[in-house]
Amino acid sequence: DGGITQSPKYLFRKEGQNVTLSCEQNLNHDAMYWYRQDPGQGLRLIYYSQIVNDFQKGDIAEGYSVSREKKESFPLTVTSAQKNPTAFYLCASSIGTVPGYTFGSGTRLTVV
Amino acid sequence: QQQVKQSPQSLIVQKGGIPIINCAYENTAFDYFPWYQQFPGKGPALLIAIRPDVSEKKEGRFTISFNKSAKQFSLHIMDSQPGDSATYFCAASNDYKLSFGAGTTVTVRA
Repeated sequence: DGGITQSPKYLFRKEGQNVTLSCEQNLNHDAMYWYRQDPGQGLRLIYYSQIVNDFQKGDIAEGYSVSREKKESFPLTVTSAQKNPTAFYLCASSIGTVPGYTFGSGTRLTVV
Repeated sequence: QQQVKQSPQSLIVQKGGIPIINCAYENTAFDYFPWYQQFPGKGPALLIAIRPDVSEKKEGRFTISFNKSAKQFSLHIMDSQPGDSATYFCAASNDYKLSFGAGTTVTVRA
């Protein structure tokens, strides 16, 4: 079955540590996205990538970094510079010519 | 600043009722308006979508109404069931990026 796999499902981080969230898709989609979800604020775009080796900042990129070395993979690193990283992180992909997204099941990151 | 404003934040209906969720936007470049359904601990799933050249679209018990001149669109859930209890997000797109509303938590009581 085609889909998007996010791992881990739950992640705990100590303050000052960097952590990397994994996102893999086997849908052959060109575009991939990272969103952050906080209660009452909907989904906010962190980074997106429309082709391999290229990505753009979204609305809340500060404290985050990404890479797109393979079409299937778009990992997100939450750095120690992100002041309030506790949130639910969602990865999505789309064909690129059609804007409808397919979402993964998310990673819940908690800073302890 | 949120580009898509969604209301209400939450609503409760009895089984068989019709929850209505409203969204408004300002950017006239938006050309695709999807609705997503999200259950707790899961990612959102595409429910139904509409283009601005259509005023209404139905898929099963879900209907989108679209008013281009008012820059508003809404989701109606006909004959709602307890299994429809979820958070619903409206969104709008141009250039492949989606801007999401803040979400509406719908509770359908048996």
